[in-house]
Amino acid sequence: NAGVTQTPKFRILKIGQSMTLQCTQDMNHNYMYWYRQDPGMGLKLIYYSVGAGITDKGEVPNGYNVSRSTTEDFPLRLELAAPSQTSVYFCASSYLGLPGALYNEQFFGPGTRLTVL
Amino acid sequence: DAKTTQPNSMESNEEEPVHLPCNHSTISGTDYIHWYRQLPSQGPEYVIHGLTSNVNNRMASLAIAEDRKSSTLILHRATLRDAAVYYCTRWEGNKLVFGAGTILRVKS
Repeated sequence: NAGVTQTPKFRILKIGQSMTLQCTQDMNHNYMYWYRQDPGMGLKLIYYSVGAGITDKGEVPNGYNVSRSTTEDFPLRLELAAPSQTSVYFCASSYLGLPGALYNEQFFGPGTRLTVL
Repeated sequence: DAKTTQPNSMESNEEEPVHLPCNHSTISGTDYIHWYRQLPSQGPEYVIHGLTSNVNNRMASLAIAEDRKSSTLILHRATLRDAAVYYCTRWEGNKLVFGAGTILRVKS
């Protein structure tokens, strides 16, 4: 299993540009998540999905959009990039999202480092 | 809003045990405590989780206070590869909430 893969690894955007961060998992996990991590800080949840066709907002959804058309893929779209979106973005997946349940360990991808200038 | 509090950083000598504390005084009775760690330039990885009892796995042990207001992650013999940021996290609904974590430095 490749686990959770993310592309690209690095990207520099100009203010106002758009891009899509790709995330794919091959573990047949139901739950998928997008986090951002600013320097020296913990992770903040942007969006998450409990299954194909179902998404919901996290703590910091403004400026982002997501879709979940398949179990495997959970792309994150940035429209009109702003310097405040400079961050490292992590995608994660888990079989379940139930606190304490077996199989709800989250598996993280290696991250995408995004700079908006 | 329930929160977790951890020291900003800790230091340990190689081959010695490390106790990483977490305060979660406002945790509800059914909230599990999960620990993740993040090695340099990598995504976080799961370490351990528990509710009331002490828990052990191949990576670490988790000691949870009887009143559940605090817990301690125990690395029995720290190695240089254990140098990372350790996050004591909590669940809110079906979302995992991360704090700032503890930076663990391991000296050889």
